[in-house]
Amino acid sequence: KQEVTQIPAALSVPEGENLVLNCSFTDSAIYNLQWFRQDPGKGLTSLLLIQSSQREQTSGRLNASLDKSSGRSTLYIAASQPGDSATYLCADLSGESGGYNKLIFGAGTRLAVHP
Amino acid sequence: SQTIHQWPATLVQPVGSPLSLECTVEGTSNPNLYWYRQAAGRGLQLLFYSVGIGQISSEVPQNLSASRPQDRQFILSSKKLLLSDSGFYLCAWSRPRESGYTFGSGTRLTVV
Repeated sequence: KQEVTQIPAALSVPEGENLVLNCSFTDSAIYNLQWFRQDPGKGLTSLLLIQSSQREQTSGRLNASLDKSSGRSTLYIAASQPGDSATYLCADLSGESGGYNKLIFGAGTRLAVHP
Repeated sequence: SQTIHQWPATLVQPVGSPLSLECTVEGTSNPNLYWYRQAAGRGLQLLFYSVGIGQISSEVPQNLSASRPQDRQFILSSKKLLLSDSGFYLCAWSRPRESGYTFGSGTRLTVV
């Protein structure tokens, strides 16, 4: 059974720092990987999706990588801003079964970027 | 483009009352639909998923049920709410056999 762990659970940094958020999986047979952002009391916003044939994806100041051999993914945030403050969730999309993909989430990393 | 709507945004209900949360998707056909719950201080838990009209699968035994009366409509229901049903409920969709989820804005349910 796949389990997803995110480290650290919480992070507080000054504005401008480069950050690395970590995600690890007990089962390295990862189908695809999706990173989300959740603001307090809000839904999830998709940030990056890494398909099974890819190793990384980039969007603006965000870069996510996936190392299947070690069962790890990292989300890199460059030049952090107060607006980046949110909870970041990684999720493994388990292999197809009956035509759907099941998301297995980590507990999230709560990020606070202060001015 | 595709959009997902979820309502209501917040709901306060007494114990024993019924529940109906609705989710609709626009701009696509035959989506996979999902209901997740996020309890306070806990991760996201998949409650139900549907790959087609009238096809509902449950991940965990619970006091809730789901229905899909139309292709792009997904409803989460309960006949009698429990205190433990409190939480943040999220609807999501994905394309069949493709990756990537899109989530709705969520419903905060407080059972009192």
